[in-house]
Amino acid sequence: GENVEQHPSTLSVQEGDSAVIKCTYSDSASNYFPWYKQELGKRPQLIIDIRSNVGEKKDQRIAVTLNKTAKHFSLHITETQPEDSAVYFCAASGTSYGKLTFGQGTILTVHP
Amino acid sequence: DAGVIQSPRHEVTEMGQEVTLRCKPISGHNSLFWYRQTMMRGLELLIYFNNNVPIDDSGMPEDRFSAKMPNASFSTLKIQPSEPRDSAVYFCASRRQGAGEKLFFGSGTQLSVL
Repeated sequence: GENVEQHPSTLSVQEGDSAVIKCTYSDSASNYFPWYKQELGKRPQLIIDIRSNVGEKKDQRIAVTLNKTAKHFSLHITETQPEDSAVYFCAASGTSYGKLTFGQGTILTVHP
Repeated sequence: DAGVIQSPRHEVTEMGQEVTLRCKPISGHNSLFWYRQTMMRGLELLIYFNNNVPIDDSGMPEDRFSAKMPNASFSTLKIQPSEPRDSAVYFCASRRQGAGEKLFFGSGTQLSVL
């Protein structure tokens, strides 16, 4: 089955800096890669996703890049703000049923 | 739409007791997923259904766990008997197959087994 590795496990940045989280996946058939943000005590919420026919996608301060050859994808957050502090999960899916395999998560802390 | 609805939000029980978690997916969604979240193991997929039929239950830890989806608007996850190591947050999530693959999570059930 699919295996998703996520790094780093923790990331600390100063407000205004950029943050980058990286994930690798094992199943070359995977074609959908979402990113979820989970605040303390809350549910995971989708913040951005990308499909395998696209190399990059941007939404305001967040962007995701995908390298299918290398089987890795990354989340980029620019101009970080304290409210960006949360746990971020990457995931990969290759089946029509949408079964998502999640990475282990990255705890992002943005210091004011 | 109210989103994915789970109940209860919190459950505290004693070892050996039966626990039933409930989920109502978003109306029109035909795929439903049960996840378990712990610090050690992250988000683990336990089981998922498509059109009320269980597709893959390979993530269910052992026979003490069972899940049902009697109709398109209701699913249950049952643990019998419960053990302290079952303590975790259990999330239900749903999506509509074929209309994009965006998965929406419920608020979760925080389970504590004493």
